[in-house]
Amino acid sequence: QVQLQQWGTGLLRPSETLSLTCAVYNGSFSGYYWSWIRQPPGKGLEWIGEMNRFGSTNYDPSLKSRVTISLDTSRNQFSLKLTSVTAADTAVYYCARGPLGEASLWGQGTLVTVSS
Amino acid sequence: NFILTQPHSVSESPGKTITISCTRSTGSITSNYVRWYQQRPGSPPTTVIYDDDQRPSGVPDRFSGSVDGSSNSASLTISGLKTEDEADYYCQSYDTRWVFGGGTKVTVL
Repeated sequence: QVQLQQWGTGLLRPSETLSLTCAVYNGSFSGYYWSWIRQPPGKGLEWIGEMNRFGSTNYDPSLKSRVTISLDTSRNQFSLKLTSVTAADTAVYYCARGPLGEASLWGQGTLVTVSS
Repeated sequence: NFILTQPHSVSESPGKTITISCTRSTGSITSNYVRWYQQRPGSPPTTVIYDDDQRPSGVPDRFSGSVDGSSNSASLTISGLKTEDEADYYCQSYDTRWVFGGGTKVTVL
């Protein structure tokens, strides 16, 4: 059974860079898009971006200038970097796998708090 | 780009049927597939409907999805409500970028 397991720094100060990694177990990168979605506390889901194994990326326009999604196929992992974080970036961050434009498998979520 | 609007909350008794709407602001609802996710507190979302009206394996047939071009809306219907259906439900579509609805909190009284 394919599983996604994610990890990363949970507490950041304003202006720092958020860095999260998601490992893919019992599955490959072929044929899927690999995405990051976030959910601020008590609020709804927000899409961050997606990438396929060929390196084609698609980011939400509001975050595009600060976001990088990358794949490491040798380690079966993909990562999220978000620069210059503020309190507004405080959220539970999820990694996900799916066809283009949707998530059919989700990671467990990582709470990232930005506070001085 | 477009916005997907959902009711903030829906409440109903066990055994009853509810329908959650998801209205697209601009462009046709039929232009892009709609998905519905269920999210219980403290857990990641799971798909209950994809491609407008398809159920993933393991999702009870009490869950059904539809799209109505005349109202430019998608709908998620849950029949025979159970207490375990109490959760937040999000619609989502894709048109060069993902768009989520604001979510609907379902309470089973």
